[in-house]
Amino acid sequence: KNEVEQSPQNLTAQEGEFITINCSYSVGISALHWLQQHPGGGIVSLFMLSSGKKKHGRLIATINIQEKHSSLHITASHPRDSAVYICAVSAGATNKLIFGTGTLLAVQP
Amino acid sequence: DTGVSQDPRHKITKRGQNVTFRCDPISEHNRLYWYRQTLGQGPEFLTYFQNEAQLEKSRLLSDRFSAERPKGSFSTLEIQRTEQGDSAMYLCASSPQGQMNTEAFFGQGTRLTVV
Repeated sequence: KNEVEQSPQNLTAQEGEFITINCSYSVGISALHWLQQHPGGGIVSLFMLSSGKKKHGRLIATINIQEKHSSLHITASHPRDSAVYICAVSAGATNKLIFGTGTLLAVQP
Repeated sequence: DTGVSQDPRHKITKRGQNVTFRCDPISEHNRLYWYRQTLGQGPEFLTYFQNEAQLEKSRLLSDRFSAERPKGSFSTLEIQRTEQGDSAMYLCASSPQGQMNTEAFFGQGTRLTVV
């Protein structure tokens, strides 16, 4: 079993829909990260959470430390949100990232 | 500063050849990480440097792989006697000094294809 699990693996939505991507983890963490990866490889950090909830524009991330679970929500989705969304946790003395396998999101106009 | 820079962006090599990749982190970042990502998977940790010291290596880093960060600034990752299974995206990330919970800043990656 992977230490970081994401669901769903693939998600297709219509423009304007509310989107939720879930992440669960099984290791002790210092923080949880939501990342966005576009074709071509570049990874951009969206959120880093150690508790509670954060909001940037149409993106909202929540974490429940007791349940070892996090969600990424996208409100009023747009085709430009199409990308791979990756959950990762910081773990260990070096704070290395342990990644989920990603969620491929396609938002159709 | 323009962020984390990796070179080359793409590399095609024949099986058995040696390759070397370079990563230039954000200048004030003392933490540097290498990750490898194969198609359809999330990245996997390879190795970590704090300044010039290599403090952690993954079991994924076989003896054909070596990484250096000689002056605590840029880092290189060398793969000797490449195999087709080495084909992947190699990602570098850096983080600021002295703070445990900080976001990681990623380079654009080097995509290696071994033919």
